[in-house]
Amino acid sequence: AQKVTQAQTEISVVEKEDVTLDCVYETRDTTYYLFWYKQPPSGELVFLIRRNSFDEQNEISGRYSWNFQKSTSSFNFTITASQVVDSAVYFCALSEGFYNQGGKLIFGQGTELSVKP
Amino acid sequence: NAGVTQTPKFQVLKTGQSMTLQCAQDMNHEYMSWYRQDPGMGLRLIHYSVGAGITDQGEVPNGYNVSRSTTEDFPLRLLSAAPSQTSVYFCASTGRSRGPSTDTQYFGPGTRLTVL
Repeated sequence: AQKVTQAQTEISVVEKEDVTLDCVYETRDTTYYLFWYKQPPSGELVFLIRRNSFDEQNEISGRYSWNFQKSTSSFNFTITASQVVDSAVYFCALSEGFYNQGGKLIFGQGTELSVKP
Repeated sequence: NAGVTQTPKFQVLKTGQSMTLQCAQDMNHEYMSWYRQDPGMGLRLIHYSVGAGITDQGEVPNGYNVSRSTTEDFPLRLLSAAPSQTSVYFCASTGRSRGPSTDTQYFGPGTRLTVL
């Protein structure tokens, strides 16, 4: 069965600190996609990244970076030099199958990140 | 492009009433989905569609109906509202990427539903 676990319910950091949000997934499929979404206090869901199971390269986008490790079934998200605007709930999600590139998502419970000035 | 639009933004219903949450996208995406978000539970899939005329159930389908007569629209119907359906509802639209990872994921702004 597929499952996504975000064990950190809440994280609080001070501005400029680095912070890593953990995501562990379970799936029996060899082809799957992993996602991260940001939900700021305004409530909308903002897509951050999608990775497929065949691409284990780490990715960096500005202050954001993602570490995908199939050996540990993890897809962790790091924010470098955090800012107050990073305060949000972050969701990790999984979709299975080659043709299901996000049509059916299994979400983790979310991690609420609070960045204090 | 308007992206994914949802109406209404807020709705209050009484137990037993029915209503339809509207969702539309203008990106010609194949996949459309409905999720509900409840505190501490992340988002859970209600129903999804892989194209016009094709729908299937997700994790929590009971009490909801969907249809997909066009590529653009994917309405969610509550047949007889119950307090347990108080939630925030998100519609999503997904296109099939034909190249490297691209931004093909879009969520609507959400509908906050309260059932009294």
